[in-house]
Amino acid sequence: AQSVSQHNHHVILSEAASLELGCNYSYGGTVNLFWYVQYPGQHLQLLLKYFSGDPLVKGIKGFEAEFIKSKFSFNLRKPSVQWSDTAEYFCAAGSSGTYKYIFGTGTRLKVLA
Amino acid sequence: EAGVAQSPRYKIIEKRQSVAFWCNPISGHATLYWYQQILGQGPKLLIQFQNNGVVDDSQLPKDRFSAERLKGVDSTLKIQPAKLEDSAVYLCASSVTGGNQPQHFGDGTRLSIL
Repeated sequence: AQSVSQHNHHVILSEAASLELGCNYSYGGTVNLFWYVQYPGQHLQLLLKYFSGDPLVKGIKGFEAEFIKSKFSFNLRKPSVQWSDTAEYFCAAGSSGTYKYIFGTGTRLKVLA
Repeated sequence: EAGVAQSPRYKIIEKRQSVAFWCNPISGHATLYWYQQILGQGPKLLIQFQNNGVVDDSQLPKDRFSAERLKGVDSTLKIQPAKLEDSAVYLCASSVTGGNQPQHFGDGTRLSIL
């Protein structure tokens, strides 16, 4: 069955620490991958997306993610987090050419000032 | 551009009552989605429209949930009758046509069933 797993449910970091959030997917065929972020009191927003090409994709606000096909992973990274990065982060995956996405359960990130 | 509009933001009802949510997508977005997000979980797709036609409603509990998008623009999602387990945030999203297009989300409606 198609699925998306996010193993870290809660992460607490100090400002300037490095961040890596895990995302693994189970999908047949070509897959599209996304990271969405939900800041407190706001709607889900797209951070970055991967469809094809360079497996290292860069998104907004200094975030990047690496697609590793052999590991079925699409981990999110940021070298130095800020207090304003406190939010919930969702990984999503969908088969290329379809409109249907599956979301992971989310990771709540708290950054301490 | 204006974002996806949803109303109401909050709704509290008793079980067995009915409730309806409204969504107005971004102008020009042909694809519209309704998701259910239960506390502690990621969004789960309930139904997807392409213009005014249903593309996927495989996870919609059709005995109590219904949705329509009659003119291919705004949409309503209804629950009748509501159950306690329907307490969740109901999200609407839209995108331009194409499987590679990202979805744009509204603020959601938080539904509490007493």
